[in-house]
Amino acid sequence: QPVLTQPPSSSASPGESARLTCTLPSDINVGSYNIYWYQQKPGSPPRYLLYYYSDSDKGQGSGVPSRFSGSKDASANTGILLISGLQSEDEADYYCMIWPSNAVVFGGGTKLTVL
Amino acid sequence: EVQLVESGGGLVQPGRSLRLSCAASGFTFDDYAMHWVRQAPGKGLEWVSGISWNSGSIGYADSVKGRFTISRDNAKNSLYLQMNSLRAEDTALYYCAKDTHLDGGHAFDIWGQGTMVTVSS
Repeated sequence: QPVLTQPPSSSASPGESARLTCTLPSDINVGSYNIYWYQQKPGSPPRYLLYYYSDSDKGQGSGVPSRFSGSKDASANTGILLISGLQSEDEADYYCMIWPSNAVVFGGGTKLTVL
Repeated sequence: EVQLVESGGGLVQPGRSLRLSCAASGFTFDDYAMHWVRQAPGKGLEWVSGISWNSGSIGYADSVKGRFTISRDNAKNSLYLQMNSLRAEDTALYYCAKDTHLDGGHAFDIWGQGTMVTVSS
């Protein structure tokens, strides 16, 4: 199974933006996959945030604010979750996910701290 | 209200079996694929298995292939996971999750609260 690499931690201040990355292995082209993003707070199940394939093919989870958005950096083979206007309630673990075959792969998760 | 409620977890000895259940409500169960995802204490998410709306397509993580069996009963709006030959590394909180499409391959938009499985002697 491929490994999706996420930085273990990230931090930013309220009102700022946070850019969380999900790097795919070199043998899997980020341009070929939907990148799914989930948020998980302590003691709660994950919450689906959004998926991103391209600017013309993307989707937001139900009730997810528009300040959560996705993108890709093809040169780095990376999926990106951008959270703008950070709020204290955004402090959580964030996971990326892809479907490279008939199986799912999650990234290791990034713990976002809102300072 | 859309809801998934898992049950069947508990403490079990290595090598023994356990069957998890997930009761769905608030949506048309047989319109969607379903999945099991687990999370070991303090660790990240790991997909375990998924099943299409009509059970025609089933997939497993390599870590559980040959030991776990996923199934569903659309008449009972229920998803199951039969876990055999359990190992200590199977200890985790097991979540039931709904796919956004009938054949799978998309987002998991609804999650249950999970049921804890502890494998220990």
